Amino acid sequence: QSVLTQPPSASGTPGQRVTVSCSGGSSNIGSNTVNWYQQLPGTAPKLLIYSNNQRPSGVPDRFSGSKSGTSASLAISGLQSEDEADYYCGARDDSLNGWVFGGGTKLTVL
Amino acid sequence: EVQLVESGGGLVQPGRSLRLSCAASGFKFDDYAMHWVRQAPGKGLEWVSGISWNSGSKGYADSVKGRFTISRDNAKNSLYLQMNSLRAEDTALYYCAKGSGTYLRGYFDYWGQGTLLTVSS
Repeated sequence: QSVLTQPPSASGTPGQRVTVSCSGGSSNIGSNTVNWYQQLPGTAPKLLIYSNNQRPSGVPDRFSGSKSGTSASLAISGLQSEDEADYYCGARDDSLNGWVFGGGTKLTVL
Repeated sequence: EVQLVESGGGLVQPGRSLRLSCAASGFKFDDYAMHWVRQAPGKGLEWVSGISWNSGSKGYADSVKGRFTISRDNAKNSLYLQMNSLRAEDTALYYCAKGSGTYLRGYFDYWGQGTLLTVSS
């Protein structure tokens, strides 16, 4: 099982707002920033959100991130069919002296 | 444009060794930490190893510590992963990922397309 906990699936209809949660502990999310990665089917992961709530250049502002304590969340507003993908949260873990990920959330656009 | 191209994967028997390579371009390679992240078939992401800009700091996941060795050649803009005593559970797509900074902190801002390692007799 993964160190960070995500729901295995999420879904929404076009135009809706969906959120994906990510729960961790004091050694990872509680003391480091959270990053989100999007993996479209059959492709490599891509950085979506870094440092809790920052978007890399080119990422639409429909995607937003937040963090509180030992949990974080990714919100996608104005859902589009091309958002159908796996989403992973990740953070550095000071106890493990490495990086940890959530198990991934498969987002389906109905 | 940042490009990371992995190579060296393949089918290998349990207990054998293999070396993965990652050729980097489009950025100043020796200014950034680099990492290997793997994904077993149908599974999630697992950080494997990371190395700082000057090879002064290296880190490994517990699952590979003592078996895998990360290295880099800044003159060749290349990252390597020497994998020994391979096990079936090492079967995965191995991604090369660029670190966001010089040292082993931060996040992974660019990823390669991966090279597939299959460990099986």
